[in-house]
Amino acid sequence: AQTVTQSQPEMSVQEAETVTLSCTYDTSENNYYLFWYKQPPSRQMILVIRQEAYKQQNATENRFSVNFQKAAKSFSLKISDSQLGDTAMYFCACTSGGSYIPTFGRGTSLIVHP
Amino acid sequence: DTAVSQTPKYLVTQMGNDKSIKCEQNLGHDTMYWYKQDSKKFLKIMFSYNNKELIINETVPNRFSPKSPDKAHLNLHINSLELGDSAVYFCASSQGRKETQYFGPGTRLLVL
Repeated sequence: AQTVTQSQPEMSVQEAETVTLSCTYDTSENNYYLFWYKQPPSRQMILVIRQEAYKQQNATENRFSVNFQKAAKSFSLKISDSQLGDTAMYFCACTSGGSYIPTFGRGTSLIVHP
Repeated sequence: DTAVSQTPKYLVTQMGNDKSIKCEQNLGHDTMYWYKQDSKKFLKIMFSYNNKELIINETVPNRFSPKSPDKAHLNLHINSLELGDSAVYFCASSQGRKETQYFGPGTRLLVL
């Protein structure tokens, strides 16, 4: 079984600033995948970024990057130059094991203030 | 073109009724999922299905059943609806279970 923990229920940031969302996970598997998904008020779930555990290089997608610390089982998301459109719930997720059934964290609600 | 679509978007019904939510994906993916998101936004997987294997979350009541007429569709059928079934249900698809999931817009179910 795997677990995903997001310890920050809510966060806020000023527009144009940088914010980091925390995520820790636990899995006994060596091969696993980590994801950050975004759910804006429209309710649509959208992939933000994906990391393969066997890759040491941190994934980056435009203003979004991760700090993947495999030994610490930490997978934080950094949002640079925050924009109002980044206001959303952010979910960290992990898939692992033979069945790769995904487990999601409880989410972090991010509000970007003008 | 919508990649993953669900119908209906909203569903209001009485306790004890049977209802279905339809899901279709036009991405050519081989794996589809159903999730339940409760009022606290907790997202829990209910089923994972491809043409070879159905994996059921053991905590899902057997009143819930997935039905897949073909690879592009995975419908969710719910028998004897209960108040606690009220939630948003999301369908998703991916090409293999390791890959990124693409989500539908969700179906908000309200059981009265």
